[in-house]
Amino acid sequence: QSVLMQPPSVSGAPGQRVTISCTGNSSNIGGGYDVHWYQQLPGKAPKLLIYGNNNRPSGVPDRFSGSNFGTSASLVITGLQAEDEADYYCQSYDKSLSGSKVFGTGTKVTAL
Amino acid sequence: QVQLQESGPGLVKPSETLSLTCTVSGGFISGYYWSWIRQSPGKGLEWIGYIYYRGSTHYNPSHKSRVTISIDTSKNQLSLQLNSVTAADTAIYYCAREAVVTAPSYFFDYWGQGTLVTVSS
Repeated sequence: QSVLMQPPSVSGAPGQRVTISCTGNSSNIGGGYDVHWYQQLPGKAPKLLIYGNNNRPSGVPDRFSGSNFGTSASLVITGLQAEDEADYYCQSYDKSLSGSKVFGTGTKVTAL
Repeated sequence: QVQLQESGPGLVKPSETLSLTCTVSGGFISGYYWSWIRQSPGKGLEWIGYIYYRGSTHYNPSHKSRVTISIDTSKNQLSLQLNSVTAADTAIYYCAREAVVTAPSYFFDYWGQGTLVTVSS
């Protein structure tokens, strides 16, 4: 069950800024729990992109950034590149689901 | 570099038990939480449950009655059993290592490549 809602798709021209939203509630994002983001290239396993709201693992380009506000979070790609075409998922902790990890519904990013 | 590799039958009959193993290499299984996550064809990600290296477990309430996750630290392996499967359990199953900055907000820093399990007679 996906309790974090994301837009099904976003698109932009190469070089543009694109934003992916992740909307939760007071039991997850709004409860102050960290949000993490994953990138899933076609046919591949998800890869950690952002952890702890706005931290990038080694090797992740700095054009990817994250932020939180209230019950929502956002992933921003500044300067979209063709290689960024992928599915993106947010993830957090939900105290109302017996402490389960929850994922967003996923967003497909397309470079026009 | 930590690597995870899932293995197990790619085809399971309805009502039977799905059994998968995840082998961890390039690092120790001890000291970490380890999760199973699945992705139905064309769908999103669903967390199934985790096991701590000492053996404690926590499952997604949606699957709690059918899931068992176990660990063998001597073999650097964890396992997943899902009972009474149906077509709805057809998915790519991933194992992943958990990490944390601020508890309890764990995230998944290393993933296996995933293994497709089809439930069909």
